[in-house]
Amino acid sequence: AQSVSQHNHHVILSEAASLELGCNYSYGGTVNLFWYVQYPGQHLQLLLKYFSGDPLVKGIKGFEAEFIKSKFSFNLRKPSVQWSDTAEYFCAAAYNDYKLSFGAGTTVTVRA
Amino acid sequence: NAGVTQTPKFQVLKTGQSMTLQCAQDMNHEYMSWYRQDPGMGLRLIHYSVGAGITDQGEVPNGYNVSRSTTEDFPLRLLSAAPSQTSVYFCASSYSAGSGIGEQFFGPGTRLTVL
Repeated sequence: AQSVSQHNHHVILSEAASLELGCNYSYGGTVNLFWYVQYPGQHLQLLLKYFSGDPLVKGIKGFEAEFIKSKFSFNLRKPSVQWSDTAEYFCAAAYNDYKLSFGAGTTVTVRA
Repeated sequence: NAGVTQTPKFQVLKTGQSMTLQCAQDMNHEYMSWYRQDPGMGLRLIHYSVGAGITDQGEVPNGYNVSRSTTEDFPLRLLSAAPSQTSVYFCASSYSAGSGIGEQFFGPGTRLTVL
C-alpha cells in the first residue's frame, strides 16, 4: 500500500531559525505531492504542490519544497520562521488511483 | 463562493446511534472525499467519489456509508456509532489533475464524540 512518512513528530524552533521537515513517499510511479498546513483551530489549507516540472516548488508564506525522485522525498523548507508559522504540517501524496495519503503530521512550535 | 461547508460543527452521540454528517461544495468539483483526523495519525481517507453516482472506499471505510446523488453533496453516514469513531471529520473536494487529484479544498470539520 502507498504510504507517506514524515520524519519529525514535533519540532521546536526559535523565530528566525530555518525549518526543514522531511517527507518520504513509497510509490515509484506518477505522483502528485502536497504540503498542507493546519493552524490552531483552523482547517487544512494548501502550502504548495508538485505535479511535474521544476522540482523546486515555491508556495505561500515563504515556504518551498524540493522533489527528489531518486530519494522519494519531498522535503519542506523555510529559511526564517516566524511565530505565526506555529502549526501542524502534513505531507500528502496522490497516486493515480485517486486516493490521497497523508503523513502523520509534524507539529511545529516557534518560540518568540 | 462558500467553498466546502460541513454540518454540524460538533456532535455527541451515544454508542449505537446513527447520524449523517453533511458536506456540500459549490465549486463544481468532481472529486469529493471524507477523512478522519486522529492525534498522531494524520488524516485517513474514509470514502471518496470521483463524480455523481460513483463512490469508493478509502483506507478506513468500516462503519461508514456514503452516497453521491449530486455533484454538490457528499454526506457521510455513521451506521451504528462506536467510541472508536470519536474523531474530527473533514470533507474535501478537488478538481482532477493529470493522473490523480489536484489541490484539496477542506471544510471546517465536524468534531464527533461517541460516548
